[in-house]
Amino acid sequence: DAGVIQSPRHEVTEMGQEVTLRCKPISGHNSLFWYRQTMMRGLELLIYFNNNVPIDDSGMPEDRFSAKMPNASFSTLKIQPSEPRDSAVYFCASSLTGGATEAFFGQGTRLTVV
Amino acid sequence: GENVEQHPSTLSVQEGDSAVIKCTYSDSASNYFPWYKQELGKGPQLIIDIRSNVGEKKDQRIAVTLNKTAKHFSLHITETQPEDSAVYFCAASPLTGNQFYFGTGTSLTVIP
Repeated sequence: DAGVIQSPRHEVTEMGQEVTLRCKPISGHNSLFWYRQTMMRGLELLIYFNNNVPIDDSGMPEDRFSAKMPNASFSTLKIQPSEPRDSAVYFCASSLTGGATEAFFGQGTRLTVV
Repeated sequence: GENVEQHPSTLSVQEGDSAVIKCTYSDSASNYFPWYKQELGKGPQLIIDIRSNVGEKKDQRIAVTLNKTAKHFSLHITETQPEDSAVYFCAASPLTGNQFYFGTGTSLTVIP
């Protein structure tokens, strides 16, 4: 398996624009996580899905952020409108059963909002 | 919810010396404690994990210890090498909730 695949690797956008980050989890994994990493706050869990259903989105910063998982092999994280403070590295991870088993991380998307 | 604290935030050691990173957690329901290594420009990768029914686990130069009573766990790296330089994260996961709660990370530098 190629592992968790994220796209794009880098994204530079202007404030106010819509940004969509994409993730393909490892085949067979039924839990998917979106994390945001910054120097100030470290790794923050934004949302996680179990069997394509959002279980906990309490980490989503505000209504500008939304995430979907239309099927077991694809998820998106959308920011609309984007703001400079959204600049961070966004990671997607997947695992077999969520907590208590290994989470596999993608390479991340480095987002810069100018 | 769970709160994981990690110390130190930065650590420099001479090649060949040992490195120790410590974490504490707050939720007694947590029962799975993985450690991740993140190299520059990459996502975190699991290096070792321990479950609550075990006090210690070792894999070559890496070991993890767990004290459930005190709610703390530690990563020990012996005979450090320059390629061990990276950011290390501890995490805790409760049986319920299916989430990982990460520490704030330790930037380890091994000086040749």
